[in-house]
Amino acid sequence: QQQVKQSPQSLIVQKGGIPIINCAYENTAFDYFPWYQQFPGKGPALLIAIRPDVSEKKEGRFTISFNKSAKQFSLHIMDSQPGDSATYFCAAPLHNTNAGKSTFGDGTTLTVKP
Amino acid sequence: GAVVSQHPSRVICKSGTSVKIECRSLDFQATTMFWYRQFPKQSLMLMATSNEGSKATYEQGVEKDKFLINHASLTLSTLTVTSAHPEDSSFYICSARAVGGPEAFFGQGTRLTVV
Repeated sequence: QQQVKQSPQSLIVQKGGIPIINCAYENTAFDYFPWYQQFPGKGPALLIAIRPDVSEKKEGRFTISFNKSAKQFSLHIMDSQPGDSATYFCAAPLHNTNAGKSTFGDGTTLTVKP
Repeated sequence: GAVVSQHPSRVICKSGTSVKIECRSLDFQATTMFWYRQFPKQSLMLMATSNEGSKATYEQGVEKDKFLINHASLTLSTLTVTSAHPEDSSFYICSARAVGGPEAFFGQGTRLTVV
């Protein structure tokens, strides 16, 4: 049973557009929601993360919106650039357990056209 | 930001041999490290969780005798693929969590090709 469901699978936008990637989670024990960016042949890099006590967090052009009641969180990329073309993963780690392992979404391949 | 170094980035080995992959947290101590496997265009599949000084916890379906994990110190974990076969060819990635924090930082990954 997948605990984090990510959509869409792929996304194509024009430069300057605002791609939005969504994740829905099931386990209310999750209390930390990161987004990772991965370029081909590289490991994922932590992009931005949010805790459920706030509804939105911005870091540069990246914004996370969090809806606790709906158990959903999304990533918005403002003024997207071709360099943002990558695969994005949402995750939800159970860090309050001894294991602390993360469950990942299936990923979204973003293409930003010049 | 925290840096996790994974080595080697690429390795080609012959079928039947063993390969060791190292994962080091360079500027922080990691009580927990994770090993993932990633197939092309797919998500990360957790293989095992390793805690410093104790035995690794393997996910269901992962052969512990084939994928040996050692977490000897707070900054180093190793994954050894034993008696490698072509089907073990994949992208292996480690991540490390700092003491007391939820953030996980990933290494750059290791592309293993077994010929």
